[in-house]
Amino acid sequence: NAGVMQNPRHLVRRRGQEARLRCSPMKGHSHVYWYRQLPEEGLKFMVYLQKENIIDESGMPKERFSAEFPKEGPSILRIQQVVRGDSAAYFCASSRMPWTGGDEKLFFGSGTQLSVL
Amino acid sequence: AQSVTQLDSHVSVSEGTPVLLRCNYSSSYSPSLFWYVQHPNKGLQLLLKYTSAATLVKGINGFEAEFKKSETSFHLTKPSAHMSDAAEYFCVVSDQESGGGNKLTFGTGTQLKVEL
Repeated sequence: NAGVMQNPRHLVRRRGQEARLRCSPMKGHSHVYWYRQLPEEGLKFMVYLQKENIIDESGMPKERFSAEFPKEGPSILRIQQVVRGDSAAYFCASSRMPWTGGDEKLFFGSGTQLSVL
Repeated sequence: AQSVTQLDSHVSVSEGTPVLLRCNYSSSYSPSLFWYVQHPNKGLQLLLKYTSAATLVKGINGFEAEFKKSETSFHLTKPSAHMSDAAEYFCVVSDQESGGGNKLTFGTGTQLKVEL
């Protein structure tokens, strides 16, 4: 089991370009969570998805950001028209069942570092 | 609303000496508390968690943490540091009222440095 895979590890974009971040959850996991870590800050929740459904997007910026988790393939976090303030580390986590802090384990990927020039 | 404060952004210890990483939390309800570790170029790994059972929680690699409600603290300790413990440590709170991994609140992290 390869664990939660995120790619690319590093992504450089110029202002106004689009950024696509991919997250392949662990085998058998159908719940995916995206977090963002801004410089000097802790991880902050962005969105929670289950296969083909967005369950909770309360942490997503209202504009330019979108996420999907299709039936086949990885979860994608998409940022349109990136700005310098989008520069951050983006982490993905997955779980087999909805994670509620009990016995269910939540596994994190290594993150994608987005740099906007 | 919940929040977590890690009081030290950097901690430096000598190998073989005790480790103390401090964490204070704020939560409206009975919280679940966690410590995660992040090694360079690796994903976050769960060290230990408190979910309203025993207040002294033992985790992996010799780490433990004590939940002190009166002090709203959940400090992470280890009796003897090892070079491999050098990493970033995150204290995390999950409010039971909101529930779910989608409502985790992370501290800003403490960078632990272990010197010979």
